[in-house]
Amino acid sequence: DVKVTQSSRYLVKRTGEKVFLECVQDMDHENMFWYRQDPGLGLRLIYFSYDVKMKEKGDIPEGYSVSREKKERFSLILESASTNQTSMYLCASSPGQGGNYEQYFGPGTRLTVT
Amino acid sequence: GNSVTQMEGPVTLSEEAFLTINCTYTATGYPSLFWYVQYPGEGLQLLLKATKADDKGSNKGFEATYRKETTSFHLEKGSVQVSDSAVYFCALIRMFSGGYNKLIFGAGTRLAVHP
Repeated sequence: DVKVTQSSRYLVKRTGEKVFLECVQDMDHENMFWYRQDPGLGLRLIYFSYDVKMKEKGDIPEGYSVSREKKERFSLILESASTNQTSMYLCASSPGQGGNYEQYFGPGTRLTVT
Repeated sequence: GNSVTQMEGPVTLSEEAFLTINCTYTATGYPSLFWYVQYPGEGLQLLLKATKADDKGSNKGFEATYRKETTSFHLEKGSVQVSDSAVYFCALIRMFSGGYNKLIFGAGTRLAVHP
């Protein structure tokens, strides 16, 4: 059974803190993604990675960075958290090869920045 | 550019009612289309997909047909259940020359089914 796990379901941080959100997949997928989900805006892509140590900016990368040192792990970093980064963060992975483009999602991390 | 537009929710229905959630898209070419579902407190799950024009995706009683003439991919179910209460997202795939891809999502439509 495919599985994407995220390090926390709920997280509360203070403004200015450095925040790490971790995502691990056990499907040997090449592609991994970080989204944020906000009411009325759907899912917006922050960053994605199509290979180890490779990363690409998504639609809203400002205020975020990412790290992918191993194929199974993709980390989202908020260098200095701000209140407008309060959101639900979703990680996903996909094989991205051979026409199979389904993305598999983790359960999400609800981050509150106070 | 590529975009997906869904009908605004919430959609509130009685059990066993017929469901339609409209989705239209703007894209170059004919991208694969998807419906994802998010149950309360969970991440997104793929509900169904269609990879070319006139394809019909189906799963769990839900159906959607890829209509290139109307650039639509409306989600339908003949008889909804309380357990179908969730948020539904329509999405298309955008391909990049480097061989990778990303999904473009609609804003989501919340469905509430009451007994």
